[in-house]
Amino acid sequence: NAGVTQTPKFRILKIGQSMTLQCAQDMNHNYMYWYRQDPGMGLKLIYYSVGAGITDKGEVPNGYNVSRSTTEDFPLRLELAAPSQTSVYFCASSYGRWDEQFFGPGTRLTVL
Amino acid sequence: GQQLNQSPQSMFIQEGEDVSMNCTSSSIFNTWLWYKQDPGEGPVLLIALYKAGELTSNGRLTAQFGITRKDSFLNISASIPSDVGIYFCAVDNAGGTSYGKLTFGQGTILTVHP
Repeated sequence: NAGVTQTPKFRILKIGQSMTLQCAQDMNHNYMYWYRQDPGMGLKLIYYSVGAGITDKGEVPNGYNVSRSTTEDFPLRLELAAPSQTSVYFCASSYGRWDEQFFGPGTRLTVL
Repeated sequence: GQQLNQSPQSMFIQEGEDVSMNCTSSSIFNTWLWYKQDPGEGPVLLIALYKAGELTSNGRLTAQFGITRKDSFLNISASIPSDVGIYFCAVDNAGGTSYGKLTFGQGTILTVHP
């Protein structure tokens, strides 16, 4: 199993550009999550999904959108990139509500 | 929102030394988790604690869930160079319709000198 994979690993955006961060898992997990990690800080939850077609906001959802059309994929969309969105983004998945969350390797995003 | 206070922020130790770090909160939580993040990687779960007072070991790592349910500590014995990384505590915001929404501490950066 590849586990949780994320693409791209690095990206530089200009203010106002849009992009989609990709996340996929091959463990047949129901729950998927998006976190951001700012320098010197812990991770903060952006959005999560409990299954295909079901998503909900986390702690810091503003400026982001998600969709979950399949069990495997959970893309994160930035519509109008802002410098405040410069961060490292981690995707995670878990089988159930109380199960261990497995994290991907992260996407480092810089908005200039 | 809830905040976790993790200390120390960073530690510089010699190989072979023991390490202790802790995490406190002003709120009560029913699940405490400890993660390690290697440079350039995502966090990996080390230990999960589900019961107040619980003491759990994973090799050289030992973690305890405080009896008040407002704190937890992680000890690493006989440190080795591969222990280098950032250690995060996290709590599960359980209750109601919450679905595995974790809150993380700010992390403890561990450096081990050979």
